Amino acid sequence: GAGVSQSPSNKVTEKGKDVELRCDPISGHTALYWYRQSLGQGLEFLIYFQGNSAPDKSGLPSDRFSAERTGGSVSTLTIQRTQQEDSAVYLCASSLGLWFDEQFFGPGTRLTVL
Amino acid sequence: EDQVTQSPEALRLQEGESSSLNCSYTVSGLRGLFWYRQDPGKGPEFLFTLYSAGEEKEKERLKATLTKKESFLHITAPKPEDSATYLCAVPLPRELTGGGNKLTFGTGTQLKVEL
Repeated sequence: GAGVSQSPSNKVTEKGKDVELRCDPISGHTALYWYRQSLGQGLEFLIYFQGNSAPDKSGLPSDRFSAERTGGSVSTLTIQRTQQEDSAVYLCASSLGLWFDEQFFGPGTRLTVL
Repeated sequence: EDQVTQSPEALRLQEGESSSLNCSYTVSGLRGLFWYRQDPGKGPEFLFTLYSAGEEKEKERLKATLTKKESFLHITAPKPEDSATYLCAVPLPRELTGGGNKLTFGTGTQLKVEL
């Protein structure tokens, strides 16, 4: 595709429910990143996939958060037992996978936990 | 731990009134820096990569510069369409990333350009 796509664009859920957020990276990009952006906060790194290597999960805030990337392309970020503090915009980015290459971001998924 | 600080937090300019945004950082060795633009409700849009101190990049009314401790985004004769939040980001050392770019972002400067 022309750019990184994410779905859904908005998600409203109740506290305690599980949610899945999807990211379709740019074709040919081997690196995929998830970030979280809360109101008034900078982008917070969550997890990073590079090719077939084990993902870097060092930014995940708790074990309620997990992510997978199937076939080296589409990625799903799952949040279990959502809490109100999980409310934020979740952004996905992809890149060619070189150390200093630019990341291209999707439009984000706005998650609201009631 | 790398820290990235942007100033001012918000800036209001009249159309045509030039100014500069600042991005300062404390990192264990300069590794370059990225600038992004973010419009409301959208993901960040890549603007510039600066690799080393002394480097400059230009795009339309924007010019980014880099020193060993900070970067500036100069906006010359801005227009209302330049209104956005401008973000800078610094990558982790290569030996800690396994080949990719794990970025530390600043909180951004929200720019509004008025007629």
